[in-house]
Amino acid sequence: QVQLVQSGAEVKRPGASVKVSCKVSGYTLTDLSMHWVRQAPGKGLEWMGGFDYEEGERIHAQKFQGRVTMTEDTSTDTAYMELSSLTSEDTAVYYCAAKSPALHCTSPSCRSSAFDIWAQGTMVTVSS
Amino acid sequence: SYELTQPPSVSVSPGQTARITCSGDALPKKYAYWYQQKSGQAPVLVIYEDTKRPSEIPERFSGSSSGTMATLTISGAQVEDEADYYCYSTDSGGNHRMFGGGTKLTVL
Repeated sequence: QVQLVQSGAEVKRPGASVKVSCKVSGYTLTDLSMHWVRQAPGKGLEWMGGFDYEEGERIHAQKFQGRVTMTEDTSTDTAYMELSSLTSEDTAVYYCAAKSPALHCTSPSCRSSAFDIWAQGTMVTVSS
Repeated sequence: SYELTQPPSVSVSPGQTARITCSGDALPKKYAYWYQQKSGQAPVLVIYEDTKRPSEIPERFSGSSSGTMATLTISGAQVEDEADYYCYSTDSGGNHRMFGGGTKLTVL
């Protein structure tokens, strides 16, 4: 059974960076296409970016251009998402999510869209 | 920019059928995915590739898509189905992925 476990809550000053980790167990990181989603308090889900299986590369939402870096350490099966130049609008719960190998899809794009495994989330608070 | 549009809220009585819609210009060509999120919890995938249901999701959840609209149907909604529901898809180019604004389902 695949499980994702994220690092703990963070409090950051405006202008700082935050790096959130997502540890995979039950499978290897290379079996998954890891994506990142965030949710500001009282707001909806917002896709940030992730590995696009069809394109074979990481993609991200345009609004995070130049601020988000997603990396992976296959030796520890851990994915990372770093967000820089933080403002109060970045205060949110950040989730990593992926499609498990057990979920059977028809389309190649499904691997980068059917997130049936989610971590518990990491609360990032940006405050002066 | 591309958008997926959902109604802010839907309300039904227990045992009734709840339908939540998601509108987007690329939906005739792109699959829709549906996520359920209960208060304080991580989202759960309930429908993928328009109509497929993960094995652990109850049969009362179903999905359909026609033209520019995808629909999540909960047949015989139960109190425990109260949650926020989000559709997810991409624009026609496939690079701009997004969630809809979310629909709060009330069952009472």
